[in-house]
Amino acid sequence: NAGVTQTPKFQVLKTGQSMTLQCAQDMNHEYMSWYRQDPGMGLRLIHYSVGAGITDQGEVPNGYNVSRSTTEDFPLRLLSAAPSQTSVYFCASSPPLGGGDTDTQYFGPGTRLTVL
Amino acid sequence: AQSVTQLDSQVPVFEEAPVELRCNYSSSVSVYLFWYVQYPNQGLQLLLKYLSGSTLVKGINGFEAEFNKSQTSFHLRKPSVHISDTAEYFCAVSEPFSGGYQKVTFGIGTKLQVIP
Repeated sequence: NAGVTQTPKFQVLKTGQSMTLQCAQDMNHEYMSWYRQDPGMGLRLIHYSVGAGITDQGEVPNGYNVSRSTTEDFPLRLLSAAPSQTSVYFCASSPPLGGGDTDTQYFGPGTRLTVL
Repeated sequence: AQSVTQLDSQVPVFEEAPVELRCNYSSSVSVYLFWYVQYPNQGLQLLLKYLSGSTLVKGINGFEAEFNKSQTSFHLRKPSVHISDTAEYFCAVSEPFSGGYQKVTFGIGTKLQVIP
């Protein structure tokens, strides 16, 4: 299994540009999440999904969109990039309650995004 | 609402010395507690978790943590550290969220620096 994969690893954008961060998992996990990691702030939840076709907002959703058309993929879209969105973005997946490894999150390697 | 406090942002320790990384949490419900480790330029991976049962939890790489309900703490310990333990460590707590999703709240992280 590849686990959770993210592309690209690095990205530089100009203010106002849009882009999509890709996330895929091959563990058949129902739950997937997007976090951003900023120095001194830990990880903050952006959006999450409890299954294909179902998404919801986390703590810091403004400026980001998500969709979940398949169990495997959970892309994160930046609509109009701003310098405040400079961060490291992590995708994670986990099995639902009652599955094995309940509550354990499996993280991708991250995407380091800089917005100029 | 749940929260996690990691009391030390950086902990330097000499190789082969013991280490304790401190974590306190607050929650109005029963909690699940976790420690994740992040090596440089990588995603997070689970070190250990407490769901129920024995309050002393053993994890990978010789780490252990003790759940103390009266002190609302979940400190991480290792009796003898190695250079390879140099990483950032995140304490986390989860609670039920909408749609059956377990929302995980992360602390701000503690950077462990092992000195040769």
